[in-house]
Amino acid sequence: AQSVAQPEDQVNVAEGNPLTVKCTYSVSGNPYLFWYVQYPNRGLQFLLKYITGDNLVKGSYGFEAEFNKSQTSFHLKKPSALVSDSALYFCAVRDIQQGNNRLAFGKGNQVVVIP
Amino acid sequence: NAGVTQTPKFQVLKTGQSMTLQCAQDMNHNSMYWYRQDPGMGLRLIYYSASEGTTDKGEVPNGYNVSRLNKREFSLRLESAAPSQTSVYFCASSVGGATDTQYFGPGTRLTVL
Repeated sequence: AQSVAQPEDQVNVAEGNPLTVKCTYSVSGNPYLFWYVQYPNRGLQFLLKYITGDNLVKGSYGFEAEFNKSQTSFHLKKPSALVSDSALYFCAVRDIQQGNNRLAFGKGNQVVVIP
Repeated sequence: NAGVTQTPKFQVLKTGQSMTLQCAQDMNHNSMYWYRQDPGMGLRLIYYSASEGTTDKGEVPNGYNVSRLNKREFSLRLESAAPSQTSVYFCASSVGGATDTQYFGPGTRLTVL
């Protein structure tokens, strides 16, 4: 079964510094990978996804993520963090070989950007 | 274009009471999903509907039932609420392909006393 690990509960970063949120995945076949962000008392918002092709994916709000098949990782990055980036970030994976559209979500990472 | 809407936003139930959470989407999506979000556990899939007229169990279906009323609407019913069902419930929808993106509603915060 597909699964995602987000090893850190909280990521603290100073405003203006690079932000990285880590994600590793486990699937039996090739993965489709997604990042979502959740602001307080809101639903999840789609940031970006990797389907195939270029390993570096660019998404909304200046975020990007790099797919690394050998390390089974899909870390989310932003070159310069803003206070408004403080939120809960979820990584999710879909296993192509499962033959369904179900997503497996990680437990989420709380990002705190310090002014 | 409202996207995915959910009602109610908040609800408090007593143990044993029943209720239905409503979800509707106006994006002409084929697939719809119900998740629950609990602290430290991420989102877990309760039920999903790949297309109108079909429903399937997800990871945590016990204690819930669903109805895909039409292409737009997908409801979640708790027949006899339990404190373990205290959670935030999210509905999502997608076009239905393997590469598609799920779009989420604002959530319903449910407390069972």
